[in-house]
Amino acid sequence: NAGVTQTPKFQVLKTGQSMTLQCAQDMNHNSMYWYRQDPGMGLRLIYYSASEGTTDKGEVPNGYNVSRLNKREFSLRLESAAPSQTSVYFCASSHFSGGYTDTQYFGPGTRLTVL
Amino acid sequence: GENVEQHPSTLSVQEGDSAVIKCTYSDSASNYFPWYKQELGKGPQLIIDIRSNVGEKKDQRIAVTLNKTAKHFSLHITETQPEDSAVYFCAASTGGFKTIFGAGTRLFVKA
Repeated sequence: NAGVTQTPKFQVLKTGQSMTLQCAQDMNHNSMYWYRQDPGMGLRLIYYSASEGTTDKGEVPNGYNVSRLNKREFSLRLESAAPSQTSVYFCASSHFSGGYTDTQYFGPGTRLTVL
Repeated sequence: GENVEQHPSTLSVQEGDSAVIKCTYSDSASNYFPWYKQELGKGPQLIIDIRSNVGEKKDQRIAVTLNKTAKHFSLHITETQPEDSAVYFCAASTGGFKTIFGAGTRLFVKA
């Protein structure tokens, strides 16, 4: 099992450009998440998807859109990148579909720089 | 909303010593408290977790304690080794899909 995979690993954008970060999991998990990690701030939830076809806002959703393409894949799109979106982005997945919160499994991350 | 504070931000110990990282949370409804370890260039990985109906949990050299009254939980690593060097995150969840993370502790274990 590859677990959670993310592409690309690194990306540099100019202000105003758009891009999509890809995430896939092979653990048959129901839930998937997108976080951003900034120095001194831990991980903050951008969006999550409880199941295929559903998405919901997290703590910091402004400037982002997501798509849960199928059970395996969950993409994050920046329509018009801004320097404030320079960060490391992590995708995660878990079995959770209601009831007790459970373990989240994280991908290796995408380091994004917006100039 | 929920807030999780984590201390210290940096911790340096000698190999073989113990390390303790402390977190406090604000929402008394929190019932799940995971700890993640993040090595350089990798994503966080769960090392231990505890639920609110338990006061302490241990897994080999790692233990977590929870004080619900004080809204405080801690990670204890005994007999530290150089491979324990990493960033550690505490987190809290009230159930559901949202987990709030602390800012992280960078642990250095000196050989």
